[in-house]
Amino acid sequence: DAMVIQNPRYQVTQFGKPVTLSCSQTLNHNVMYWYQQKSSQAPKLLFHYYDKDFNNEADTPDNFQSRRPNTSFCFLDIRSPGLGDAAMYLCATSRASGRRYEQYFGPGTRLTVT
Amino acid sequence: AQSVTQLGSHVSVSEGALVLLRCNYSSSVPPYLFWYVQYPNQGLQLLLKYTSAATLVKGINGFEAEFKKSETSFHLTKPSAHMSDAAEYFCAVSDDQAGTALIFGKGTTLSVSS
Repeated sequence: DAMVIQNPRYQVTQFGKPVTLSCSQTLNHNVMYWYQQKSSQAPKLLFHYYDKDFNNEADTPDNFQSRRPNTSFCFLDIRSPGLGDAAMYLCATSRASGRRYEQYFGPGTRLTVT
Repeated sequence: AQSVTQLGSHVSVSEGALVLLRCNYSSSVPPYLFWYVQYPNQGLQLLLKYTSAATLVKGINGFEAEFKKSETSFHLTKPSAHMSDAAEYFCAVSDDQAGTALIFGKGTTLSVSS
């Protein structure tokens, strides 16, 4: 089945230690997104790629970076995680950019910062 | 700017009872609306979407939603709740400016008792 895969499902990192979360998709979608979801809150968009074009949300901290080396893979890098960065990180894809295209979500990576 | 309000952060029903989860939206343009479900420690799964076609939208797992422009509502219903429906439900609207971002409500937790 075509899907969005996130690895690892659970990640523990130390305060200030860089961490990378990965996402891959077999849907061949053009757009890939990263959301941050804190406990009991709605997902919040961090950034997205349309093909190789990177689009950062205005309020995404500089501590968060992303890479998309090819259509299938996208990475979220947190350069110096703080305790406030503990959250579920969701990757999503959509076929194209536009209001009518639904987004398909991966299972998420739960990040713990110690 | 678009926004979504989900009335009731927690809804409890008995198995076999009607499920009604409320969503009201604010949009300056005809909206594209979505309902997603999230099970514990999982990503979001699309239940259904409204994209300006039929006002009554049928989704997966027996859910449906009706778009009512006069009430700016897109409430989610299911005639008979199952235990497996217990989850977090998010209503979302597409951002008309960016064309990519989903603006989520704060979510409603559905509990189903036997």
